[in-house]
This record gives sequence, C-alpha cells and structure tokens, in this order.
Amino acid sequence: SQELEQSPQSLIVQEGKNLTINCTSSKTLYGLYWYKQKYGEGLIFLMMLQKGGEEKSHEKITAKLDEKKQQSSLHITASQPSHAGIYLCGASQAGTALIFGKGTTLSVSS
Amino acid sequence: DSGVTQTPKHLITATGQRVTLRCSPRSGDLSVYWYQQSLDQGLQFLIHYYNGEERAKGNILERFSAQQFPDLHSELNLSSLELGDSALYFCASSNRGGGYGYTFGSGTRLTVV
Repeated sequence: SQELEQSPQSLIVQEGKNLTINCTSSKTLYGLYWYKQKYGEGLIFLMMLQKGGEEKSHEKITAKLDEKKQQSSLHITASQPSHAGIYLCGASQAGTALIFGKGTTLSVSS
Repeated sequence: DSGVTQTPKHLITATGQRVTLRCSPRSGDLSVYWYQQSLDQGLQFLIHYYNGEERAKGNILERFSAQQFPDLHSELNLSSLELGDSALYFCASSNRGGGYGYTFGSGTRLTVV
C-alpha cells in the first residue's frame, strides 16, 4: 500500500520567513493534494497537483509535483501567523480514497 | 461551509456504548469517505462508499460499520466503544470516485469515557 512521508514533522519560523514542506510517496503519484488543518478542525483544501512538473500557487503558497522523485513540495513565502496550522499531503490511486501523511505542524512566531 | 455536513459536532459516551455519526455529502457528490484522526495515528482511512455501494475498506475495526443511503447521506456506526476510539471522525465527499477533488466536513469529536 502507498505511504506518504512528510518532512519536517514540525516547524517553527519567524514571521516573514520562507519555508518548505516536503511530501514523499512510496509509490507513483497520480494525484497529490495539499490540505491545511487548524487543530481540532476540518481540513481546508489548498491545491491539487496531477502532472509531473505541475506547479500551482494560491496567495503566498506554492506547491510543485516532481513525478520522477515521487515527491511534492509546499513552499510558503513571507510567512504570516495566519499560515500556522497542520499541513497534510494526501494521495490517491486512480479514484480511490485519499491516504495521508502524518502532517507537518507549522508555528509562526511574530 | 464546505458543503459537507457532519452531525453531531461533539459526542461524549461511555465505554461499551454504541453511537452513530452522520454525514451529508456535498450536492452532486456520489462518494463518501470516512476517516479517523487521532494524535498518534494521524488521519486514517476507514471506508469508502460510492452511490450506495461499499467500494473500499481501510483500517476499519469489525466493531465499526457504515452505510450510504439512497439520498446519499452516510452513517458510521461505532459499537462496543473503547477509550481508544476517542478521536475526530471526518467524512469527505467527491465526485467521480475522487479524481476531481475531495471535500471534508468539519468532523465529529468523539470522547469515550
């Protein structure tokens, strides 16, 4: 079965700094999803990547899919306190349920 | 509002009891997925229903069961509850089996005492 490994597990950055979160799959990625979760709340959809080399941006968050490395990265530019939360990557195999990595907890200090 | 409705938001019950969690998918979505999120296990896939039929099972215990009704809402039944079943339970819905995005509800927090 497919497994997703996220790194780092947790991250503390100063407000205004850039950061990157990685998600590596044990199998070929057909669709990679990024979600954000505030502790104890629901998952908020950020982006979906489907093709190798695809890159998408939403406000100050950019995600990229490296198909050959079976890896995706999420980059936040000029972090703000509103970016704090748990970032989860999820992957599916041709219409099946999403499986998730264990998440990266981001804290932004002002 | 994501369009996926889960009720109740919070549930406190005793060990050995049985509870039912309800999920109404986003309008037009035929697939419903149930997940369990705990601090030590992360977000674990439990079961997937598509248009009333079970499509896939994940790490779902035998004490747990689910169904999807003709109006597409789904229920997750948890029985003989144990302390370790305390967790956040999410449902998600999608169209066309998931290839077009998954939308999550706000979850049900279950506390077993």
